[in-house]
Amino acid sequence: GDSVTQMEGPVTLSEEAFLTINCTYTATGYPSLFWYVQYPGEGLQLLLKATKADDKGSNKGFEATYRKETTSFHLEKGSVQVSDSAVYFCALREEGGSNYKLTFGKGTLLTVNP
Amino acid sequence: ETGVTQSPTHLIKTRGQQVTLRCSSQSGHNTVSWYQQALGQGPQFIFQYYREEENGRGNFPPRFSGLQFPNYSSELNVNALELDDSALYLCASSLGAREKLFFGSGTQLSVL
Repeated sequence: GDSVTQMEGPVTLSEEAFLTINCTYTATGYPSLFWYVQYPGEGLQLLLKATKADDKGSNKGFEATYRKETTSFHLEKGSVQVSDSAVYFCALREEGGSNYKLTFGKGTLLTVNP
Repeated sequence: ETGVTQSPTHLIKTRGQQVTLRCSSQSGHNTVSWYQQALGQGPQFIFQYYREEENGRGNFPPRFSGLQFPNYSSELNVNALELDDSALYLCASSLGAREKLFFGSGTQLSVL
């Protein structure tokens, strides 16, 4: 079945540091890929997405590129801020068929210190 | 525009009891999805409702059931609660089955 593997956290960085959170996936078809963010006490929010190979999703300074050859969708940001502290989830959704579920990774807790 | 709201925010039940969780979808959204998020894990898909019909189901037993009402709000019912049902239950609404999900803040269920 489908699965998503994220790098284990927690990740602790200083403000303005470079961020990478690794994500790899296993899927039977051609999935769409997503990054969601969960701030403390809030629901998940879509951060960015990519729907086909070599697509780059970007939002709020975060980027991720859909790499079919390495089945990866790593999240990057050039300069993190304290306000980026949250839990980040990588997810996929198989396209085609009638099941529209998202399959999530376990999440990576990011803490950014001033 | 009102976002997705879930009630209650916290709930404590004992093993064997039944529970009903509620979700009001964002205005105009006709699709509701439910996810279970155990501590330290990612959300797992329970089921989705589209225009009052179940539109897909994850690997959860039949004691997990749901409803969607004509106003597109939704309920998640869990019978015969087990300790492992303790989790954060997330509801998400969308404009269609494959459209962007908008999540509520969840209901934290503890089963003792």
